[in-house]
Amino acid sequence: AQSVTQLDSHVSVSEGTPVLLRCNYSSSYSPSLFWYVQHPNKGLQLLLKYTSAATLVKGINGFEAEFKKSETSFHLTKPSAHMSDAAEYFCVVSDRGFGNEKLTFGTGTRLTIIP
Amino acid sequence: GAVVSQHPSWVICKSGTSVKIECRSLDFQATTMFWYRQFPKQSLMLMATSNEGSKATYEQGVEKDKFLINHASLTLSTLTVTSAHPEDSSFYICSAWTGLGYTFGSGTRLTVV
Repeated sequence: AQSVTQLDSHVSVSEGTPVLLRCNYSSSYSPSLFWYVQHPNKGLQLLLKYTSAATLVKGINGFEAEFKKSETSFHLTKPSAHMSDAAEYFCVVSDRGFGNEKLTFGTGTRLTIIP
Repeated sequence: GAVVSQHPSWVICKSGTSVKIECRSLDFQATTMFWYRQFPKQSLMLMATSNEGSKATYEQGVEKDKFLINHASLTLSTLTVTSAHPEDSSFYICSAWTGLGYTFGSGTRLTVV
């Protein structure tokens, strides 16, 4: 069984300051992990994914995440927040990462950017 | 990149009627499509997995007679909400494995009045 816990339901940061969105996972296998972003009434856009290659993963729009097996974490970071980053972010796990598998979504973190 | 086109983007229907949502893979063949439901300010919950040419696999608690899924071709999967009720109002999103990753449709906002 797999699960994802997003530790913060809401994060607020000032524009230009760092962003940290926390995610812990549980998986029976070597998981694949993803971060998706969703703007209001829109579909999901992939920010980045980890699939057992480099543990530090760089994504789009300046986001990156580090896979830490010892801590079962996959936190999302960005050095400097931009107003356009305001959205809902989902941490997602796939048990085997082979594709065509069930994805398990975290409960989401709403990121608010303060001007 | 691989794109899934989902239509309609929003629909309002009367209670008791049926609504069909379509997802098409535009530049790849989607052997498997996933259907999710998202209630306001909540996460995505998998409803069912549809495989081309076979019956869909529904998650526990999802009524298969209410949410009819058809995946008749490698590029089209449909979700029909039958005899819709206000509690079916939600945001429905489809997803497909492209071979390199998962791509999501833009979602359908269903409002049942």
